Amino acid sequence: EPEVTQTPSHQVTQMGQEVILRCVPISNHLYFYWYRQILGQKVEFLVSFYNNEISEKSEIFDDQFSVERPDGSNFTLKIRSTKLEDSAMYFCASMANTEAFFGQGTRLTVV
Amino acid sequence: LAKTTQPISMDSYEGQEVNITCSHNNIATNDYITWYQQFPSQGPRFIIQGYKTKVTNEVASLFIPADRKSSTLSLPRVSLSDTAVYYCLVGDKQAGTALIFGKGTTLSVSS
Repeated sequence: EPEVTQTPSHQVTQMGQEVILRCVPISNHLYFYWYRQILGQKVEFLVSFYNNEISEKSEIFDDQFSVERPDGSNFTLKIRSTKLEDSAMYFCASMANTEAFFGQGTRLTVV
Repeated sequence: LAKTTQPISMDSYEGQEVNITCSHNNIATNDYITWYQQFPSQGPRFIIQGYKTKVTNEVASLFIPADRKSSTLSLPRVSLSDTAVYYCLVGDKQAGTALIFGKGTTLSVSS
């Protein structure tokens, strides 16, 4: 079964540092997403990406965040100047029609 | 965006049938209903999707009454491994529309 792959599985970073979370979506999918889940809370939508541009974003997705699809296979989420409250699981997802496939997530810990 | 309401938690025993009902009174004509399952520290996983009446797959059944203001996810003969959070999502049928998660229903299955 095709799957969405995320790297790294865990990342620890110091407050103020930049991090890049990487995702390889399913190859024939056209829609890509990032979600985050703070421990014990619900899955929150951050951003969707289609045709090499952002199609939707939530209030959470402010200037601190950016997304890129640099080479036609990877899909990245960059968090500039991380804050303690950015600590969460970050999930990448891709979609062909109306069923989304999620990766296993990257656990980001900001210290 | 149609708001969904589902029980915070449910308990069951192995071998029982579990029915989780979701209310979505403001569902729009173009909206479809999708259920996802999430295990701890993993990304959500698609279970089933429907628009009206009944849908069944190898994992679950989804019952949707004629007015579509609610839906019921039915899990036959649950096992311990079905312990997870179950999310009911209502969204536009247009491909690529971002999924917005609520708090979900935490199902605990005991032996």
